[in-house]
Amino acid sequence: QSALTQPPSASGSPGQSITISCTGTSGDVGRYNYVSWYQQYPGKAPKLIIYEVNKRPSGVPDRFSGSKSGNTASLTVSGLQAEDEGDYYCSSFGSSSVFGGGTKLTVL
Amino acid sequence: EVQLVESGGGLVQPGGSLKLSCAASEFTFSSSWMTWVRQAPGKGLQWVATIKPDGSGKYYADSVKGRFTVSRDNAKNSLDLQMNSLRSEDTALYYCSRDQAYSSFDYWGQGTRVTVSS
Repeated sequence: QSALTQPPSASGSPGQSITISCTGTSGDVGRYNYVSWYQQYPGKAPKLIIYEVNKRPSGVPDRFSGSKSGNTASLTVSGLQAEDEGDYYCSSFGSSSVFGGGTKLTVL
Repeated sequence: EVQLVESGGGLVQPGGSLKLSCAASEFTFSSSWMTWVRQAPGKGLQWVATIKPDGSGKYYADSVKGRFTVSRDNAKNSLDLQMNSLRSEDTALYYCSRDQAYSSFDYWGQGTRVTVSS
């Protein structure tokens, strides 16, 4: 049950695009198309923004998109906005549920 | 509006026990997989336990297996987490969440804080 690997930080200027990676193994990310992404603001509960690799729940802006290649999933945020600043976590289905360590996104 | 409201957190000594509860409303609780996720202070999210809709299947992280027990009462729309033999590393904010499918958690409570310290 090792955690998925995410970069600890990412940053970009308003209007730019950034991509956050999430690396797992052939037993979780590589095996199943069940990768999710969550956005969390300080002091708040996580919010689901991507599920099943690239699906967006109702109400999530289409600036958020997901993809996967092999054992690595990615979250892309296009047209960065100040309100996108926060922590982002990936998770995957596998032999058990597992989360990534989180990425702090800073909008410069 | 969907609501998940956790309760039962607090300060407990190492080796002690605590029972967390989660009250669910405005969704079909009885047909939902439910999960506990925790977040240690300043740290990331960690999956703790998941229970099937009818309670027949329970799954635990290795770090809590044998110490924590997840249960549910579908008649009361409630989810519990019995935590025994608590350790300092169990100190965290514990969230109740719904697993819409295959580890995709779409509803979250605001969490209840557990502190294990002497």
